[in-house]
Amino acid sequence: DAGVTQSPTHLIKTRGQQVTLRCSPKSGHDTVSWYQQALGQGPQFIFQYYEEEERQRGNFPDRFSGHQFPNYSSELNVNALLLGDSALYLCASSLGTSFYEQYFGPGTRLTVT
Amino acid sequence: AQKVTQAQTEISVVEKEDVTLDCVYETRDTTYYLFWYKQPPSGELVFLIRRNSFDEQNEISGRYSWNFQKSTSSFNFTITASQVVDSAVYFCALTLKGTGGSEKLVFGKGTKLTVNP
Repeated sequence: DAGVTQSPTHLIKTRGQQVTLRCSPKSGHDTVSWYQQALGQGPQFIFQYYEEEERQRGNFPDRFSGHQFPNYSSELNVNALLLGDSALYLCASSLGTSFYEQYFGPGTRLTVT
Repeated sequence: AQKVTQAQTEISVVEKEDVTLDCVYETRDTTYYLFWYKQPPSGELVFLIRRNSFDEQNEISGRYSWNFQKSTSSFNFTITASQVVDSAVYFCALTLKGTGGSEKLVFGKGTKLTVNP
């Protein structure tokens, strides 16, 4: 039973560029949530996708957008990258939109130079 | 403000010592969930325990135990007879309700536990 997978593992981008991160949920799960974890901080909730729509959103600017595909996988897009966007981006999947039982992926480490 | 506070930034113990990680939360919600997650150096968050706001029973799972006290808004985590493999960053988290029935999960800043042999 495959768990949550994320790609790529590491990514280096330049300020102003755009980036797309990918997540495949655990088998049987239909909801994907994205988190940003800056160095030395706890994860911060970005948004959640269910039924191919953004259902819930944290306090992140519109530069952060996402998408969910019919197979439940998801993408996180960040436009106009800032140095402060450097972080570990974690994806979590669940069955339904409750945070009751989430499984996290290993994350994508994004470095913006 | 609705938030989670983990006052201990780093803790260092010697193997076999007991260690307690503190978590204090603030919320206006009457119904909520509290969680503890472990994050080893690999980065993946590992779920440890979940508690709902109506269940104040303490729980023990092997060397792990949790003490939930609504009166003091605390949800502390104790590792008994710590082992080197317990070294990780531990996060406490809380569900918060937003407008229109939305919800989000809020994490504390984490406590880095180092268990030395």
